[in-house]
Amino acid sequence: KQEVTQIPAALSVPEGENLVLNCSFTDSAIYNLQWFRQDPGKGLTSLLLIQSSQREQTSGRLNASLDKSSGRSTLYIAASQPGDSATYLCAVPAGGNNRLAFGKGNQVVVIP
Amino acid sequence: EPEVTQTPSHQVTQMGQEVILRCVPISNHLYFYWYRQILGQKVEFLVSFYNNEISEKSEIFDDQFSVERPDGSNFTLKIRSTKLEDSAMYFCASRGEVQGYGYTFGSGTRLTVV
Repeated sequence: KQEVTQIPAALSVPEGENLVLNCSFTDSAIYNLQWFRQDPGKGLTSLLLIQSSQREQTSGRLNASLDKSSGRSTLYIAASQPGDSATYLCAVPAGGNNRLAFGKGNQVVVIP
Repeated sequence: EPEVTQTPSHQVTQMGQEVILRCVPISNHLYFYWYRQILGQKVEFLVSFYNNEISEKSEIFDDQFSVERPDGSNFTLKIRSTKLEDSAMYFCASRGEVQGYGYTFGSGTRLTVV
């Protein structure tokens, strides 16, 4: 059974610092990994989709790396801003019909 | 950017009542899903739907739950007799046919059972 763990569960950083969010998963037989952002009480916004053949994917200040063999992904957010405050969720396909297994999230607060 | 649309955004219902949560997936997507998130917990898979039938369901998706695609655009989740523990955020998601495509999620329906 695919299990996804995200560390740290919560972190607070001053504005301008770089953020490093970690995700690990138990079954490395995945074909992609997706990072989402969730604001309190809101839906899931897809940030980055990284294919299993890729080592990393970038979008603006966001960069996600994937080490499939070791079952790890890292989301880097450069030069954090207060608007980056949210929960970041990592999700990987699980099961034959590719339902997603989610981590519990990294809750980020960026202090102005 | 194509969106998955969910209605209503918030629904309050009395225990034992039936509720129907509605979703309009992205038009050319073929796989449809319902997930839920109880406050403070992980997003959990409920059911997947493909080719007009359920392709997989979790142990949460018992006989109280059903899904339907009544026409070419809507995808619904029905809870027949709601319980207090059904209170959660319910998310609809869809994806295209190619396995490498990512999922698009709706903004969710917050269901409160009182």
